[in-house]
Amino acid sequence: GAVVSQHPSRVICKSGTSVKIECRSLDFQATTMFWYRQFPKQSLMLMATSNEGSKATYEQGVEKDKFLINHASLTLSTLTVTSAHPEDSSFYICSAAPSGANTQYFGPGTRLTVL
Amino acid sequence: AQSVTQPDIHITVSEGASLELRCNYSYGATPYLFWYVQSPGQGLQLLLKYFSGDTLVQGIKGFEAEFKRSQSSFNLRKPSVHWSDAAEYFCAVQRGTGGGNKLTFGTGTQLKVEL
Repeated sequence: GAVVSQHPSRVICKSGTSVKIECRSLDFQATTMFWYRQFPKQSLMLMATSNEGSKATYEQGVEKDKFLINHASLTLSTLTVTSAHPEDSSFYICSAAPSGANTQYFGPGTRLTVL
Repeated sequence: AQSVTQPDIHITVSEGASLELRCNYSYGATPYLFWYVQSPGQGLQLLLKYFSGDTLVQGIKGFEAEFKRSQSSFNLRKPSVHWSDAAEYFCAVQRGTGGGNKLTFGTGTQLKVEL
């Protein structure tokens, strides 16, 4: 149990376009989902906390207008990178916490490359 | 603010040898501690966690960790390493018991296993 999926696993796009990444909890409901960014050989940096039915909470330094987060249901959160630029290239990972549980479960990640 | 330090960026061990990965945390209240493992290009898998009770915690894949409050440490150990254990290991601290609380990660330790 407690499986989290992400789609796509890998995406390449041109500079200036927008890219949407989906995070789904497959076998549980998640009131809260998290979005992380990971640069090569580095740790995970929390970008934002996504709460179902309300606005996401962004960490300091993360541009909310650039990284749009929508948590429309208890099993789906989306991250849209708007007007992507090469510096947005990174590995994006989501996690979800089953309602009432004490642990987050992580998705497999999405590799974004902006040309 | 909570923080996690993993002093060793890289560790190399021979297959069959014992392993200890160090983790020190800084947190004003009761820490909730985790160890995750990440294979290249993959998401994070939970190895074990400590919330309360017995300070020696058993996890998956033969790993264990010991919580030492006096040393603010939560070191990960394995008595005999397998080649498949080569991966990146992250220690994390969570504020609060609920899965909806933020995780703060250490910088990670890259484990290489020599055959």
